Amino acid sequence: EDKVVQSPLSLVVHEGDTVTLNCSYEVTNFRSLLWYKQEKKAPTFLFMLTSSGIEKKSGRLSSILDKKELFSILNITATQTGDSAVYLCAVPPHQNRDDKIIFGKGTRLHILP
Amino acid sequence: DSGVTQTPKHLITATGQRVTLRCSPRSGDLSVYWYQQSLDQGLQFLIQYYNGEERAKGNILERFSAQQFPDLHSELNLSSLELGDSALYFCASSALGQGGGYTFGSGTRLTVV
Repeated sequence: EDKVVQSPLSLVVHEGDTVTLNCSYEVTNFRSLLWYKQEKKAPTFLFMLTSSGIEKKSGRLSSILDKKELFSILNITATQTGDSAVYLCAVPPHQNRDDKIIFGKGTRLHILP
Repeated sequence: DSGVTQTPKHLITATGQRVTLRCSPRSGDLSVYWYQQSLDQGLQFLIQYYNGEERAKGNILERFSAQQFPDLHSELNLSSLELGDSALYFCASSALGQGGGYTFGSGTRLTVV
């Protein structure tokens, strides 16, 4: 069965700290791995990763994929209170099909001022 | 504004009732996905429509049904509501070949009392 597992489930750190969020996956035909940020409402897209070892970066956020070990990490450096959110990892399980995406349960990140 | 419109934003109804949630996808997107997000649960895939036809089905209860209309908007019908159906219901849309990236609507928060 295809699945996505995120850890930790919850994380509380102080402003300025660096955090690393983990995502491991098992899917039949890997195509891509997606990271989303969910604050109060709709998840918003952060990154799509398709190739191993190539870091995607956006400001203080970065992410990398390891297709051999079947995991991805999302790093946030110099965290700010505005980074507080649930971070979701997701994988579309089928190649060549615009199909459902399987989401992990998310990591709830809380940044203390 | 993500371009995906969901109505209503909030809905409170009694057990046993029936409700309809509506979603208008982003302009040009043919696929619509429905997800349920309960407290402490990740995003659970319910159903996908592509250009008016059902494409994929997840753990959708028999009391729930959906359809996509010729103008591509979609409706999710929830009947014989139970307390456990209280959740956030998200609609997302994507363009075929987008590689799995979704655009989410802001969700409908359903409370069954």
